[in-house]
Amino acid sequence: EAGVTQFPSHSVIEKGQTVTLRCDPISGHDNLYWYRRVMGKEIKFLLHFVKESKQDESGMPNNRFLAERTGGTYSTLKVQPAELEDSGVYFCASSQVWTVNTGELFFGEGSRLTVL
Amino acid sequence: GDSVTQMEGPVTLSEEAFLTINCTYTATGYPSLFWYVQYPGEGLQLLLKATKADDKGSNKGFEATYRKETTSFHLEKGSVQVSDSAVYFCALSAGNTGGFKTIFGAGTRLFVKA
Repeated sequence: EAGVTQFPSHSVIEKGQTVTLRCDPISGHDNLYWYRRVMGKEIKFLLHFVKESKQDESGMPNNRFLAERTGGTYSTLKVQPAELEDSGVYFCASSQVWTVNTGELFFGEGSRLTVL
Repeated sequence: GDSVTQMEGPVTLSEEAFLTINCTYTATGYPSLFWYVQYPGEGLQLLLKATKADDKGSNKGFEATYRKETTSFHLEKGSVQVSDSAVYFCALSAGNTGGFKTIFGAGTRLFVKA
């Protein structure tokens, strides 16, 4: 069974440009999460999808960030326009509905974003 | 709000040394507690978990006990190996009106020397 996959693994862009990160969750996982780790600090929650619906987007930093999950399968996270402080590692995680109350997550390897 | 605090790293140990990584949490409800590990070049993976007070999670020689009275979930291993070198994240999961959200600490990098 394939794990959570993320693309690209590393993206280097200039301030003001746009970047789109993609996450393919484990097949059958309705829960999909985006997290971000900046400069070796804690991994911060961004948002949570249940199928195609945004269950909780309280962690999204501002309106330059847009997440979608069309059809309840893969998800994209777009940053437009990117700022220097957006640099970090963006993690995607997924879980099955029946494990949501134990909180166990399956993570991708992360997408490292560097904004110059 | 809910939060997790873990000891800062890096932690450097010699092989076969005893490991403790401290973790304390703040939560309004009754969270589940986790340790995740990130090996170099890989994504985070669940190491162990405990879902209620006094539970002990264990895996690969690592252990952690859910202590409600001290709001702690310290990670221990009796004899570390070079292959244990990684970043360790303490985390909690608690329900809210929108579902369950997992909250992470800042991570502790462990280096084990041969």
